[in-house]
Amino acid sequence: KQEVTQIPAALSVPEGENLVLNCSFTDSAIYNLQWFRQDPGKGLTSLLLIQSSQREQTSGRLNASLDKSSGRSTLYIAASQPGDSATYLCVLLNSGYALNFGKGTSLLVTP
Amino acid sequence: DTAVSQTPKYLVTQMGNDKSIKCEQNLGHDTMYWYKQDSKKFLKIMFSYNNKELIINETVPNRFSPKSPDKAHLNLHINSLELGDSAVYFCASSQLGAIEAGANVLTFGAGSRLTVL
Repeated sequence: KQEVTQIPAALSVPEGENLVLNCSFTDSAIYNLQWFRQDPGKGLTSLLLIQSSQREQTSGRLNASLDKSSGRSTLYIAASQPGDSATYLCVLLNSGYALNFGKGTSLLVTP
Repeated sequence: DTAVSQTPKYLVTQMGNDKSIKCEQNLGHDTMYWYKQDSKKFLKIMFSYNNKELIINETVPNRFSPKSPDKAHLNLHINSLELGDSAVYFCASSQLGAIEAGANVLTFGAGSRLTVL
């Protein structure tokens, strides 16, 4: 069974720092990997989608990479801002179905 | 226009009652999901339907019965509610198919917070 692990579980950084969130998985037979953010009491907002054939995707200050051989994806956030404070979740789509979420990394960016 | 909409957003009810949560997507997706997010914020899949057919049922008590009248709707009915059913329930959708065409992007509704007293 596919297992998804996100490290660290929680992270607190001062504003302006660059940071990396990790997502590791046990089965490389994935279709896509998607990163979301969830704000307290809110739904999930899609940040980046990396297709299985790709190695990275970029959107603004965010860059996500995918290394299927090592079973890892990283989400890099440049020049963090207080507005980045949220929980970040990764999900794998196996055989097209979105089954496996990580438990998330709770990020706090302090002014 | 909201892509994936769930109603109600909040639901407070007594133990033993029966309640339903509705979900509709206007993205033309062929696959819909129900997820449960517990108090520890862990998202766990409950059901998935593809073109109105149940394809995933993850060890959910049979008090939970999903219904998909068409591929744009996936409703969740819960019988005999228990305290442990209190959670946020998220509906989501995706389109299976060629990943090069941008398929398999998962889109979520805003969630329905169920509180059982």
